[in-house]
Amino acid sequence: AQKITQTQPGMFVQEKEAVTLDCTYDTSDPSYGLFWYKQPSSGEMIFLIYQGSYDQQNATEGRYSLNFQKARKSANLVISASQLGDSAMYFCAMRGYSGNTPLVFGKGTRLSVIA
Amino acid sequence: NAGVTQTPKFQVLKTGQSMTLQCAQDMNHNSMYWYRQDPGMGLRLIYYSASEGTTDKGEVPNGYNVSRLNKREFSLRLESAAPSQTSVYFCASSETWGGDTGELFFGEGSRLTVL
Repeated sequence: AQKITQTQPGMFVQEKEAVTLDCTYDTSDPSYGLFWYKQPSSGEMIFLIYQGSYDQQNATEGRYSLNFQKARKSANLVISASQLGDSAMYFCAMRGYSGNTPLVFGKGTRLSVIA
Repeated sequence: NAGVTQTPKFQVLKTGQSMTLQCAQDMNHNSMYWYRQDPGMGLRLIYYSASEGTTDKGEVPNGYNVSRLNKREFSLRLESAAPSQTSVYFCASSETWGGDTGELFFGEGSRLTVL
């Protein structure tokens, strides 16, 4: 079974600063994918970034990067140059490919960006 | 591009009433999912359908039934609603194999209140 742990219920960051949202995972599946989703106050789920377990490079998508440390089983999301529009809930999720298991989500981190 | 469409978006029920949440996707995805989101709990999987003709229980299936009507449609039924089923429900779809990451594409959510 997969498990995702997000230990930061809430975080504050100053506008234009970088922020790291923590995510650790547990799985026995040797092949898996890690995902980050953003949920603004309007409620929709927005896909941000993906990292495969066999990817050699850390994933990047614009201001988002995923700090993937496989040995530590961590997949932290780094947001550079925070903007007010980044204020939202952020969910880390994973799925196993060998067992074709559905996505399992963490409990989320609420990020507030301060002007 | 409609993506994933779920209806209704809002519903208020009395305890013991029944209702069905409808979900349809137009991306020709094989897999479809129902999640519920409660404050502080993240998204928890209720049921999923890995492919047309199959359904499987997720983490919190009690009190729900599902039907994969065809490749496009996946409905969630509450036979006798309880206040504990007050939640926001998300339908999602994904591709499951063939090298795809399995990223979930979400509907806008359905807010259900059971009095």
